[in-house]
Amino acid sequence: DTAVSQTPKYLVTQMGNDKSIKCEQNLGHDTMYWYKQDSKKFLKIMFSYNNKELIINETVPNRFSPKSPDKAHLNLHINSLELGDSAVYFCASSQAPAGGTDTQYFGPGTRLTVL
Amino acid sequence: AQKITQTQPGMFVQEKEAVTLDCTYDTSDPSYGLFWYKQPSSGEMIFLIYQGSYDQQNATEGRYSLNFQKARKSANLVISASQLGDSAMYFCAMRGTLSGANSKLTFGKGITLSVRP
Repeated sequence: DTAVSQTPKYLVTQMGNDKSIKCEQNLGHDTMYWYKQDSKKFLKIMFSYNNKELIINETVPNRFSPKSPDKAHLNLHINSLELGDSAVYFCASSQAPAGGTDTQYFGPGTRLTVL
Repeated sequence: AQKITQTQPGMFVQEKEAVTLDCTYDTSDPSYGLFWYKQPSSGEMIFLIYQGSYDQQNATEGRYSLNFQKARKSANLVISASQLGDSAMYFCAMRGTLSGANSKLTFGKGITLSVRP
């Protein structure tokens, strides 16, 4: 019954490793997002996909690469992890693409710790 | 560009009382949406309430209501009859209706609410 799910919930890894976070939504939404919440709880959008197409790409290092195999899934792959990547990463989805004011529903978050 | 400002320090409220969490915003979009989310200590982001900029009436959802004052660019969240489970961080956010830079959801820095028994 989970609307937006993410795996894993916790991810602890060494600097320099490559890791992926998976996200799936069963709401039938067309648009999915990745957000980063830093240690001060500030939330900032990283990417947005609409029907598998990238529509928002904020100033994010190119070590971060989103991939959307279909509109229900949006995965985040991170290469060469750095200490500063430690944060909580949230996936979200909404019905409308850019320009809509519809509600975004968030996944439970993935707490990434880079040692 | 759009901006959300939440400047209150940690808020405290007695159980069963009402509390107002402040939010002011700035945008160049003629039409936009305002949102409030709750983040309890468990970490998930829970959608609470939405207000459209052209909505004639203030939004209400159960114990949550939004005091929308467009001329003052404020969208304060009112929680009535506070419960212990309302203790959490609350985020105000906005999104423009036009495509482009303002189409993304922009969050304020959040306000921590603690409900006292």
